[in-house]
Amino acid sequence: SQQGEEDPQALSIQEGENATMNCSYKTSINNLQWYRQNSGRGLVHLILIRSNEREKHSGRLRVTLDTSKKSSSLLITASRAADTASYFCATDTGANSKLTFGKGITLSVRP
Amino acid sequence: EAQVTQNPRYLITVTGKKLTVTCSQNMNHEYMSWYRQDPGLGLRQIYYSMNVEVTDKGDVPEGYKVSRKEKRNFPLILESPSPNQTSLYFCATRDATGAHNSPLHFGNGTRLTVT
Repeated sequence: SQQGEEDPQALSIQEGENATMNCSYKTSINNLQWYRQNSGRGLVHLILIRSNEREKHSGRLRVTLDTSKKSSSLLITASRAADTASYFCATDTGANSKLTFGKGITLSVRP
Repeated sequence: EAQVTQNPRYLITVTGKKLTVTCSQNMNHEYMSWYRQDPGLGLRQIYYSMNVEVTDKGDVPEGYKVSRKEKRNFPLILESPSPNQTSLYFCATRDATGAHNSPLHFGNGTRLTVT
């Protein structure tokens, strides 16, 4: 069953602009994670935010978590063409160590 | 270097011909999992394993088998592949000890085509 749902499905921006991607989920979580996937390759972990955290930063990435709204956002600042990829949110409810993924957001950054 | 190694990278086969996709990790993680990725459906979990000799069904286990005889290996077996198993497959592992706050490490994927 799909737990996380990303929004929008696709995003196209100009290099240098910020990209904001959203994720909503349905049940209580231990943590929420964001992953990146380059075309046809394995997913790479970007950032993890725990349920008791509200904001986290890593380089040009900023993640927020609102557990009352069951939503998270990923902000990529000063985007680069190399940021072009699919981005997935994944929720960890603590059950069986399982991560449940959304369908992903396709980000295109135009040079 | 931490690695999850899947083989083969690409595989084309015919309906009914048994195949195995191998997965090996060098991180000494207890937890390993298989996902399939299909357009419009995202990643769906097939099977997972919490430790050696412990395996469980995920969301889409039909038509697949797994085994976990040793910690580092978690092969995915398709006894009688069918065209609806054409997909991109990923093996993943994570450190499941302690609190559930660890990332998944993915292999590079196996693109399977069943004709």
